[in-house]
Amino acid sequence: EAGVTQFPSHSVIEKGQTVTLRCDPISGHDNLYWYRRVMGKEIKFLLHFVKESKQDESGMPNNRFLAERTGGTYSTLKVQPAELEDSGVYFCASSRRFQETQYFGPGTRLLVL
Amino acid sequence: RKEVEQDPGPFNVPEGATVAFNCTYSNSASQSFFWYRQDCRKEPKLLMSVYSSGNEDGRFTAQLNRASQYISLLIRDSKLSDSATYLCVVPRNQAGTALIFGKGTTLSVSS
Repeated sequence: EAGVTQFPSHSVIEKGQTVTLRCDPISGHDNLYWYRRVMGKEIKFLLHFVKESKQDESGMPNNRFLAERTGGTYSTLKVQPAELEDSGVYFCASSRRFQETQYFGPGTRLLVL
Repeated sequence: RKEVEQDPGPFNVPEGATVAFNCTYSNSASQSFFWYRQDCRKEPKLLMSVYSSGNEDGRFTAQLNRASQYISLLIRDSKLSDSATYLCVVPRNQAGTALIFGKGTTLSVSS
């Protein structure tokens, strides 16, 4: 069974540009989560999808971040415009059902210059 | 008080040593707890779940103390391959969706 995949693995952009991160969850997993680790800090929850619906987006830092999961399969996280403090590692995770183990993808390392 | 707090370490131990990490959590209503392992520049991977007083899996033992609101992870007979960062994780609420992570404790096992 393929794991959670994320694309790209690395992204370097300039402040003010737009970046779109993609996450493909494990097949059959209805629950998809985005997390972020900023340097020196702990991993923090951003949002949770159940199929195509946003179940909880309380962790989204501001309206420069837009997450979508059209069709309930893969998800994208767009940052527009990117700021320096957006740099970090963005992890995606998925689980089959609520409260089941969340499996993490390898992350996208974003550097905003 | 932070939601999940861990001693960052690093813990530097020789092979074969026993090492223990502690983690404290602030939400007294929390029912489930997890230890994840994260290797350098890799994703977190679930190591153990703790739902009651404790859990044991081979060389790894996790214990829960609800009265003091802390969880511990004990590693016996440390191997070089145990070198990693160990993350204490607590679901934010009863629904158990959003996970709250500690900063992690770094373990380095040397020969």
